[in-house]
Amino acid sequence: GDSVTQMEGPVTLSEEAFLTINCTYTATGYPSLFWYVQYPGEGLQLLLKATKADDKGSNKGFEATYRKETTSFHLEKGSVQVSDSAVYFCALSRLLSNDYKLSFGAGTTVTVRA
Amino acid sequence: EAQVTQNPRYLITVTGKKLTVTCSQNMNHEYMSWYRQDPGLGLRQIYYSMNVEVTDKGDVPEGYKVSRKEKRNFPLILESPSPNQTSLYFCASSLWGAYTDTQYFGPGTRLTVL
Repeated sequence: GDSVTQMEGPVTLSEEAFLTINCTYTATGYPSLFWYVQYPGEGLQLLLKATKADDKGSNKGFEATYRKETTSFHLEKGSVQVSDSAVYFCALSRLLSNDYKLSFGAGTTVTVRA
Repeated sequence: EAQVTQNPRYLITVTGKKLTVTCSQNMNHEYMSWYRQDPGLGLRQIYYSMNVEVTDKGDVPEGYKVSRKEKRNFPLILESPSPNQTSLYFCASSLWGAYTDTQYFGPGTRLTVL
C-alpha cells in the first residue's frame, strides 16, 4: 500500500539556520506530493505541492522538488525564523479507479529558537 | 471568509455516551473527509464523501459513522465512544476530490473519552 516516511523529530534549530526535512514515499503510478504545516493550536494548511515528476513547489521561502527516481520530496528552507516553528507533514495523493487515496507521514516537529 | 469550521473544539465524555462532532464548509466543496491525528501516526482518514449522499470508508472507520445530507455539512458520529477514540480530529474539504486538490482543514476537535 501507499506510505509516506519522513524524518523523525523533534528538530530544534537556531534562527537563520538551514532546514531540511526528508520525505520519501511508496506508491504506484504518479502521485501528487504535498507538504502541509500545522502551527500550534491550528489545523493543517497547505505549504506547497508538486503534481508531477521534477516539479518544484515553493512558498514562504520553502522549497521541495518531486524526485521520482529517488521517490523523495524533501522540504528545505535556507534561513528559518521563529515563526516557522510548527509540525510539518509530507503527504501523497494517488488517483484510484473512481476516487483518490491521500496518505500522510507521521509529522516532524520543528522548533526554531531566537 | 472561506473556512472549515468544527464544533466543539474540545470535548470530554465518558465511554458509551453518543456524541456528534459537526463540520461545515462555506467553499461549496464537493469532497469532505474526517481524519484523526495521533502521536507518531500522523493523520489517518476515517471516512470521506465525494458528494452529497455518497460516503465511503477510509483507513480507520471502525466505531464511527458519518452522513452527508447537504453539501456543506459532514458530521462525525460516535455511537458508543471508547477510550481508544481519544484523539485529535480534523475535518477537511477540497473542491472536486481530484488527487491534485489542496485539502482545507478545520481547526480540530480534541476528544477525550474517559
